[in-house]
Amino acid sequence: GENVEQHPSTLSVQEGDSAVIKCTYSDSASNYFPWYKQELGKGPQLIIDIRSNVGEKKDQRIAVTLNKTAKHFSLHITETQPEDSAVYFCAASIGGNTPLVFGKGTRLSVIA
Amino acid sequence: EAGVVQSPRYKIIEKKQPVAFWCNPISGHNTLYWYLQNLGQGPELLIRYENEEAVDDSQLPKDRFSAERLKGVDSTLKIQPAELGDSAVYLCASTMTSGSYEQYFGPGTRLTVT
Repeated sequence: GENVEQHPSTLSVQEGDSAVIKCTYSDSASNYFPWYKQELGKGPQLIIDIRSNVGEKKDQRIAVTLNKTAKHFSLHITETQPEDSAVYFCAASIGGNTPLVFGKGTRLSVIA
Repeated sequence: EAGVVQSPRYKIIEKKQPVAFWCNPISGHNTLYWYLQNLGQGPELLIRYENEEAVDDSQLPKDRFSAERLKGVDSTLKIQPAELGDSAVYLCASTMTSGSYEQYFGPGTRLTVT
């Protein structure tokens, strides 16, 4: 089955700096890669996703890149703010309504 | 649009007791998932429903866990009897079946077994 590895497990950045989180996956059939933000005591919130037919997607300060050949994808957050502090999860699936396989998460701390 | 609703938000029980969690998905979402999230880990699938049919329950420990989704809307996840290792967050998510990829999660139920 699919296996998703996520790095780093923790990340601290100064406010205004950029943050990058990287994930690799094992199943070449995977074609959908969402990113979730989870704040303390809340459920995961979908913040951006990408499908395998594109290499990059951007939404304001957040961008995701995908390299299908290397089987890795990354989340980029620019101009970080204290409210970006949370745990971020990457995930992969073969698309449609199939279950997501998650990475173990990255705890991002943005220091003011 | 209302999100995925779960209750209770927190539950503390003694081991060997039964417990049930309830989920109401986003209106119109035919697919419902129950995920288990252990501390410091990503969610892991327990069971997936297409309408009222369980189509993927291979990860559900069937000796003590059961689930149902009567009428294809609300769902209940039950544990009987609970064990210390069941302490975790139980997340419900939903998505539209037809051509949709995005899964939306509820706030979860945090279970503590003492």
